[in-house]
Amino acid sequence: GAVVSQHPSWVICKSGTSVKIECRSLDFQATTMFWYRQFPKQSLMLMATSNEGSKATYEQGVEKDKFLINHASLTLSTLTVTSAHPEDSSFYICSARGTSGRGELFFGEGSRLTVL
Amino acid sequence: GQNIDQPTEMTATEGAIVQINCTYQTSGFNGLFWYQQHAGEAPTFLSYNVLDGLEEKGRFSSFLSRSKGYSYLLLKELQMKASASYLCAVRDKLDSGGYQKVTFGTGTKLQVIP
Repeated sequence: GAVVSQHPSWVICKSGTSVKIECRSLDFQATTMFWYRQFPKQSLMLMATSNEGSKATYEQGVEKDKFLINHASLTLSTLTVTSAHPEDSSFYICSARGTSGRGELFFGEGSRLTVL
Repeated sequence: GQNIDQPTEMTATEGAIVQINCTYQTSGFNGLFWYQQHAGEAPTFLSYNVLDGLEEKGRFSSFLSRSKGYSYLLLKELQMKASASYLCAVRDKLDSGGYQKVTFGTGTKLQVIP
């Protein structure tokens, strides 16, 4: 399998501050990582595709200036929620494709963001 | 784009068999996945189908019919810990830019009762 680790698991911040979430592939190299957001009782919504060494590809409706993605190495992608507001409170999950031919996604533990 | 439908909730008895259905309408298709997600946790991979037919994996089986845009996940010998949400996800074909998107259904919340 493939192990993806995400940090922090929980974060509480004040409105207007910025929060950085890290996603690491621990035992494999991930040229591409995916960032999802999940609101309570809803499914995973893809926010953006993070590409190592190049700009992220954002889904329609996701503000790239608000959700900054950096994929500086083959094992680390970061998502920074800038000027967070209460409506940004959500469960953010990163994932990377496994190295088997199936290409299944392996997910990090998720980061629960609460903006006060 | 992808449109994926699953029942919202299901209840089944411990030790029984339950089938969770998923239908999809897609502009492109390159595989269907089933994931299990316990409350407050990230999803974990269960099964993968890209060709028609049944894939069996211990207590889990998954079926795909591409012509009907239909899949099901079969859970046998249900245990209490199988109470979770089960997400159906469809992968697009690669586009010209090498981009391959996976779209998730809203998930089926399964409750296993004694």
